[in-house]
Amino acid sequence: GAGVSQSPSNKVTEKGKDVELRCDPISGHTALYWYRQSLGQGLEFLIYFQGNSAPDKSGLPSDRFSAERTGGSVSTLTIQRTQQEDSAVYLCASSLSPGTGDEQFFGPGTRLTVL
Amino acid sequence: GESVGLHLPTLSVQEGDNSIINCAYSNSASDYFIWYKQESGKGPQFIIDIRSNMDKRQGQRVTVLLNKTVKHLSLQIAATQPGDSAVYFCAETPRSQGNLIFGKGTKLSVKP
Repeated sequence: GAGVSQSPSNKVTEKGKDVELRCDPISGHTALYWYRQSLGQGLEFLIYFQGNSAPDKSGLPSDRFSAERTGGSVSTLTIQRTQQEDSAVYLCASSLSPGTGDEQFFGPGTRLTVL
Repeated sequence: GESVGLHLPTLSVQEGDNSIINCAYSNSASDYFIWYKQESGKGPQFIIDIRSNMDKRQGQRVTVLLNKTVKHLSLQIAATQPGDSAVYFCAETPRSQGNLIFGKGTKLSVKP
């Protein structure tokens, strides 16, 4: 497809379980970003990947959160031992190159509900 | 009018009127600013951007104004339409960063 895609669109899990969220960026985009949006709030930066450089993990809220980007394309965000406060919409974005001035295109998000 | 509290600030306008959505940004080192529109159940969609060396930029029906002295950003929508109803976020990014720093958002409600 032409845009950023994310899967699943919705995920319901039990507290303590691990979850994996997937992001397929726009082909050719070297930068990929993960954000989290709690109900009625703005977006909170989590992590971003730029080309082959080490990712910027400064936004990850705890060591239960991790992300990978394989082959410079698809990314997976993993949340271990999920807690109820992890419930949110997780949004992925990609841009042609990292840095300012390049529009970030967002996917539709994955709505995570932790029971 | 506007209401601020535990919920998103809300701006209600009549169809055809002009809308002004305001945002205060936090980082004086930010040099790139963007407005995003988010409809229910969708990811944010780019509307317009502006660099710190400008104070005004116009698009189709939208204008962004930047006041660096007071760190204020505004989005003006001309002839507001029902399809403009959404939550609008401002975002900033300092030169050294790639990620965006988002404001909390304003909900725009257009009455027909």
